[in-house]
Amino acid sequence: NAGVTQTPKFRVLKTGQSMTLLCAQDMNHEYMYWYRQDPGMGLRLIHYSVGEGTTAKGEVPDGYNVSRLKKQNFLLGLESAAPSQTSVYFCASSYRASGLNEQFFGPGTRLTVL
Amino acid sequence: RKEVEQDPGPFNVPEGATVAFNCTYSNSASQSFFWYRQDCRKEPKLLMSVYSSGNEDGRFTAQLNRASQYISLLIRDSKLSDSATYLCVVNRGSNYKLTFGKGTLLTVNP
Repeated sequence: NAGVTQTPKFRVLKTGQSMTLLCAQDMNHEYMYWYRQDPGMGLRLIHYSVGEGTTAKGEVPDGYNVSRLKKQNFLLGLESAAPSQTSVYFCASSYRASGLNEQFFGPGTRLTVL
Repeated sequence: RKEVEQDPGPFNVPEGATVAFNCTYSNSASQSFFWYRQDCRKEPKLLMSVYSSGNEDGRFTAQLNRASQYISLLIRDSKLSDSATYLCVVNRGSNYKLTFGKGTLLTVNP
């Protein structure tokens, strides 16, 4: 099993450009999450999904959109990138709700917005 | 009070030392507690869950004090491979969401 994979691993954008980050998991997990990690701060939840076709806002959702059309995939979109969105983005998944079950993380995407 | 607050660190210890990390949380409704480990430029990975009665996994011991809203992690006989950032993680009362502490960096020196 590959576990949780993320595409791309690195990306540099100019302000105003758009992009989509792809997360895929092969563990048949119901729950999926997108986090960002910035220096000196803990991981912060952007959006999450409790099942195929459902999404919900996390702690810092502004400037991001998500979609979960297939159970194994969770996409994070940036419509108009801003320098404040420079960060490391982690996707995670869990079999059950994260408070009860281990979250498995992908390797991360390092995004720089110029 | 921040939701999850950890020792700022960094901790530099010699091999074989015992080191303890502390963490406090503000939401008294929290029910689930974890320690995650994150190696440099890698993803976080679950180290251990923390149970009310305390629990041990080899050289690692986790303790929970609900009255004081305090969690600890003790590492005995430190190894070079223990060098990493340790994240204190607490659910927010909703099982869907976790709050991550900023992490404490540990470096174990030969």
